[in-house]
Amino acid sequence: DAGVIQSPRHEVTEMGQEVTLRCKPISGHDYLFWYRQTMMRGLELLIYFNNNVPIDDSGMPEDRFSAKMPNASFSTLKIQPSEPRDSAVYFCASSPDRGTEAFFGQGTRLTVV
Amino acid sequence: ILNVEQSPQSLHVQEGDSTNFTCSFPSSNFYALHWYRWETAKSPEALFVMTLNGDEKKKGRISATLNTKEGYSYLYIKGSQPEDSATYLCAPNAGGTSYGKLTFGQGTILTVHP
Repeated sequence: DAGVIQSPRHEVTEMGQEVTLRCKPISGHDYLFWYRQTMMRGLELLIYFNNNVPIDDSGMPEDRFSAKMPNASFSTLKIQPSEPRDSAVYFCASSPDRGTEAFFGQGTRLTVV
Repeated sequence: ILNVEQSPQSLHVQEGDSTNFTCSFPSSNFYALHWYRWETAKSPEALFVMTLNGDEKKKGRISATLNTKEGYSYLYIKGSQPEDSATYLCAPNAGGTSYGKLTFGQGTILTVHP
């Protein structure tokens, strides 16, 4: 398996634009996590899914953020409208089961100007 | 909210020194404790996942212990090398309504000087 694949690797967008980040988890993994890395908060959990169902989205900062997992092999994190303070590295991770090792993607570096 | 505290925030040691850091987490509703190593410009990679009280795991010069009753875990590095320089993160897996949730601490930044 190629591991967790995120796209794009880098995204630069203007304030107010819609941004969609994509993640392909490792095949067979039941859990998918979206994290945001910032200087202030470190690695912050935004939302996680179990078997494609969102379990806890309490970390999603605002209504401008939404995440979906339409099937076991694909998830998106959407920001609409984007703001400069959303600039960060966004990581997707997947794990086979609860309490098992999580595998991280390479991250998407988002810059909102 | 799962409060995860790691200490110290940062650590500078000389090559060859042994070092350790702490992860504190709520002891109630515990399921598993993860340790990850995060090198600059890379993604976090798992070192250990531990579930049992008193568990001890080892990988080369790195080892970890777990106390689920008092809610802490220690990570030890013996004979630190410059390539050990990284941020070390811990993350407890909770049970109950937080089933499966993986929340990371702020990490300990380790710098090993040659």
